[in-house]
Amino acid sequence: KAGVTQTPRYLIKTRGQQVTLSCSPISGHRSVSWYQQTPGQGLQFLFEYFSETQRNKGNFPGRFSGRQFSNSRSEMNVSTLELGDSALYLCASTPSVGQIASRTGELFFGEGSRLTVL
Amino acid sequence: QQPVQSPQAVILREGEDAVINCSSSKALYSVHWYRQKHGEAPVFLMILLKGGEQKGHEKISASFNEKKQQSSLYLTASQLSYSGTYFCGTEDYSGGGADGLTFGKGTHLIIQP
Repeated sequence: KAGVTQTPRYLIKTRGQQVTLSCSPISGHRSVSWYQQTPGQGLQFLFEYFSETQRNKGNFPGRFSGRQFSNSRSEMNVSTLELGDSALYLCASTPSVGQIASRTGELFFGEGSRLTVL
Repeated sequence: QQPVQSPQAVILREGEDAVINCSSSKALYSVHWYRQKHGEAPVFLMILLKGGEQKGHEKISASFNEKKQQSSLYLTASQLSYSGTYFCGTEDYSGGGADGLTFGKGTHLIIQP
């Protein structure tokens, strides 16, 4: 079974530009969440999507947005890039929510998209 | 607010034991543990849902003290493959739905032969 696939794996942008990252979840997984990983802050929750609806959003500015398509694939967009947006962006998928007691089930992470902003 | 992990880093010899702690200022609903090797995706280890619950995964086990809002990860007779960064992720009672996990900053574990 294929894992979570993220594209592109590496990218370099300049300040002020925008970027779109893509995530294909494991087949059959309907929930997709996004995390930003930096050395200083660790893993920080960006948002989660389930059945094309954003279920929750972390404490990030409105420049960070996302969406989910009917096939559960998800994209996140960062507009007006800042130097501080340089990070590893991780996508994680889970099976349909509600199957286990925890509100957040086991997360299956992709290898991430490493964004460098110059 | 991020849970606090301790220690930040630890170096062990193969076969030694390690304990990684995760502490939160909030009442916790669950604690999740992940391990990330350099350049790889984080990998799920376990979820602890009830206070006082202890779960195991091979020679890795964990406890969850709901009253103290703390969890500890125990690595017994560590192997070289245990090297990596360990993250705890917490869910608290403040949200009504899926709030995502709030992760600590990680504990770097290095196992030497």
